[in-house]
Amino acid sequence: AQKITQTQPGMFVQEKEAVTLDCTYDTSDPSYGLFWYKQPSSGEMIFLIYQGSYDQQNATEGRYSLNFQKARKSANLVISASQLGDSAMYFCAMRGVIQGAQKLVFGQGTRLTINP
Amino acid sequence: DSGVTQTPKHLITATGQRVTLRCSPRSGDLSVYWYQQSLDQGLQFLIQYYNGEERAKGNILERFSAQQFPDLHSELNLSSLELGDSALYFCASSVASGTPNEQFFGPGTRLTVL
Repeated sequence: AQKITQTQPGMFVQEKEAVTLDCTYDTSDPSYGLFWYKQPSSGEMIFLIYQGSYDQQNATEGRYSLNFQKARKSANLVISASQLGDSAMYFCAMRGVIQGAQKLVFGQGTRLTINP
Repeated sequence: DSGVTQTPKHLITATGQRVTLRCSPRSGDLSVYWYQQSLDQGLQFLIQYYNGEERAKGNILERFSAQQFPDLHSELNLSSLELGDSALYFCASSVASGTPNEQFFGPGTRLTVL
């Protein structure tokens, strides 16, 4: 079974600082995908970044980058130059394949607050 | 805007009642997924449909059922509602099934059972 662990329930960061949100995962599948989603107070889930288990390089999308350490089974999200609008819940998720169909397994989330 | 639409946005009902949540996937997406987000359980996968057929089941209660119609929209039916069913229900869609494609989430339906 797949499992995602996010050990930081909440984080407080000063605006313009970089922030790292931790995510560790557990799976026995050789092929998997890791995702980060942002959920602002309005409730919608916004896709941020994806890392495939066979990808050689860490994924980057604008100010978001994923620090993928396969041996440690970690997939931390790094947000550079944080902004007030980054305040939200952040979820790490892993794609697992069951009976040829994919589903996402989510962590418990980290609430990020950016202070001015 | 992800391109996934869900209706209604909010739903308030009483225990024992039945409700239907509706989801329209992004244009061209064949897979639809339903998730439940509650305070105590977090985000949990409920069920997936691909091109009208059920593909995978997660932690979906027997009181809940879903279907995907020929036009690819999907409905999640919740019956004999209990207080604990109060949650945010998300629909997500992706192009295919079993591929690395990311899932795009709709805005969610917030269900309150009184």
